[in-house]
Amino acid sequence: GAVVSQHPSWVICKSGTSVKIECRSLDFQATTMFWYRQFPKQSLMLMATSNEGSKATYEQGVEKDKFLINHASLTLSTLTVTSAHPEDSSFYICSARPPGQDIEKLFFGSGTQLSVL
Amino acid sequence: GDSVTQMEGPVTLSEEAFLTINCTYTATGYPSLFWYVQYPGEGLQLLLKATKADDKGSNKGFEATYRKETTSFHLEKGSVQVSDSAVYFCALSKGYQKVTFGTGTKLQVIP
Repeated sequence: GAVVSQHPSWVICKSGTSVKIECRSLDFQATTMFWYRQFPKQSLMLMATSNEGSKATYEQGVEKDKFLINHASLTLSTLTVTSAHPEDSSFYICSARPPGQDIEKLFFGSGTQLSVL
Repeated sequence: GDSVTQMEGPVTLSEEAFLTINCTYTATGYPSLFWYVQYPGEGLQLLLKATKADDKGSNKGFEATYRKETTSFHLEKGSVQVSDSAVYFCALSKGYQKVTFGTGTKLQVIP
């Protein structure tokens, strides 16, 4: 089946630095990818929708200047957490859907655990 | 807005025990309901779905019935195995719109 690869699986960084997370669709082209975040004991929340060749669409309350999304190709989207702070420590997951497929054909990466010291 | 509430974990069961993970939802209209499973080190995978009231989704021995009157979609399995140890997410969606997830419930099955 379709696979979405996400790297790194975990990262520890110092406060004030930037961290980049990659999300790749391995065997299909994804014009749209989704980025989610999950804080401990909370729901998996959609942060933004990444659109190939255009600007990402951010959910209400998500700072677009802090969470930079680049969807430069049909198989790669990146999320950069800029000037990370301890409150950004969270579990980040990406997902992608083959074009024209229903929402049930959503494939997920294995997630990135970010810890900001 | 739409929301999904599922029971807190972790849930620890002995092998061959009966499993129920409760899930209720709040949504306008007629959402589709899903259960996703995440095995250690892997991405979320769709486990089963139901698209309208009274539908029963089933897969790998797991079942869930879409109950509109109680706005519920509880996950059940008659006899769990160690290999079922994972995190289970209840979710809803409307058409091509975004998926709304619950908090996830960790299941640990011990031999």
